[in-house]
Amino acid sequence: DAKTTQPTSMDCAEGRAANLPCNHSTISGNEYVYWYRQIHSQGPQYIIHGLKNNETNEMASLIITEDRKSSTLILPHATLRDTAVYYCIVRVGSNTGKLIFGQGTTLQVKP
Amino acid sequence: EAEVAQSPRYKITEKSQAVAFWCDPISGHATLYWYRQILGQGPELLVQFQDESVVDDSQLPKDRFSAERLKGVDSTLKIQPAELGDSAMYLCASSPHRRNIQETQYFGPGTRLLVL
Repeated sequence: DAKTTQPTSMDCAEGRAANLPCNHSTISGNEYVYWYRQIHSQGPQYIIHGLKNNETNEMASLIITEDRKSSTLILPHATLRDTAVYYCIVRVGSNTGKLIFGQGTTLQVKP
Repeated sequence: EAEVAQSPRYKITEKSQAVAFWCDPISGHATLYWYRQILGQGPELLVQFQDESVVDDSQLPKDRFSAERLKGVDSTLKIQPAELGDSAMYLCASSPHRRNIQETQYFGPGTRLLVL
């Protein structure tokens, strides 16, 4: 599976958009980009995933560059409850394959 | 909304003792995963089941860890004997396993193990 690179930590003001970057320069054509988050002492929570098109759901938007070497997770209006570790995962095309988590980005939303 | 259940939520044990964790996946989910998360790191897969069969246990320390899913529903992860380095969060996840559809894994709340 392709490796991902994320900043260790980021801050965001409450009510503003949080933009979390992820580099996956060695991604293959059949590999999906997944985002999960983990709030302190809880299990990881699925946010969104995509292959090459931008995706949006009720939680977030995922913007994937045209060359697919990087992506950005956007939380449009961050709240204090969005404070968590955010994991960007590149997963091989097998639809039931394991997720390989990196270190993630710790997002701190501040009042 | 259906959830993955795990018990116990917390477990303290002494080294060399046996310990067991239980997971009940979301009803109808054929695929079940056990992950281990050491403090400050991301989760790492220990074992993956498809129904009652193991499909990936390459990272499971088989000298002391065992996992079973006898009827293809709930699952038990056992450690015997526990070592200090086993202190971690043990997470269970499940997914539906539908052909040709990218699967979302749903995680339980985890069992936090402390080995003294």
